[in-house]
Amino acid sequence: DTEVTQTPKHLVMGMTNKKSLKCEQHMGHRAMYWYKQKAKKPPELMFVYSYEKLSINESVPSRFSPECPNSSLLNLHLHALQPEDSALYLCASSRPDRTSNYGYTFGSGTRLTVV
Amino acid sequence: GESVGLHLPTLSVQEGDNSIINCAYSNSASDYFIWYKQESGKGPQFIIDIRSNMDKRQGQRVTVLLNKTVKHLSLQIAATQPGDSAVYFCAETNTGNQFYFGTGTSLTVIP
Repeated sequence: DTEVTQTPKHLVMGMTNKKSLKCEQHMGHRAMYWYKQKAKKPPELMFVYSYEKLSINESVPSRFSPECPNSSLLNLHLHALQPEDSALYLCASSRPDRTSNYGYTFGSGTRLTVV
Repeated sequence: GESVGLHLPTLSVQEGDNSIINCAYSNSASDYFIWYKQESGKGPQFIIDIRSNMDKRQGQRVTVLLNKTVKHLSLQIAATQPGDSAVYFCAETNTGNQFYFGTGTSLTVIP
């Protein structure tokens, strides 16, 4: 299995809703990431988990709450979002060590619309 | 954050021609670079990578060139095909856990 699976593919939520984005990989990668991508822009790093521990939080607002229940799963809990949070949310995984190829494997993303 | 930018936001090429996509980076400590391809509605897909101890690396129809002196990276696609139409991002890191992405170049292949 060489894929990163993200669910749901599309999500529409109101500003008072609570929802979660899910990401799963079975490649044995021990680093997982959340990126946010606005239309026609590059992905922007949000969070990095390394060995199931949060190692980087790029000053993301607290209405985004990541969780890494185990080495294969990564969640992003959403609460009280704003319309400007509408974007494509990408999950990625990689080997955390600096071996021959430690590029990311990306999922297809969740297209989030906040109304 | 880091600054990784591209010289051209859009590029149109005739099918069969070669494409060159450029990228400038600002962190001289970056030691690993990746080119990603992103098609509409999909996540970025790894194309080719290069380490800072190399100047050139070739893959299938793609070549990445690294000029550390001027902090410049380029992606060359040979015999460009319609399926190559996508947005291309360069990304750099010096830690392995944080990749910074360039602005992106939208490549359109004209049949």
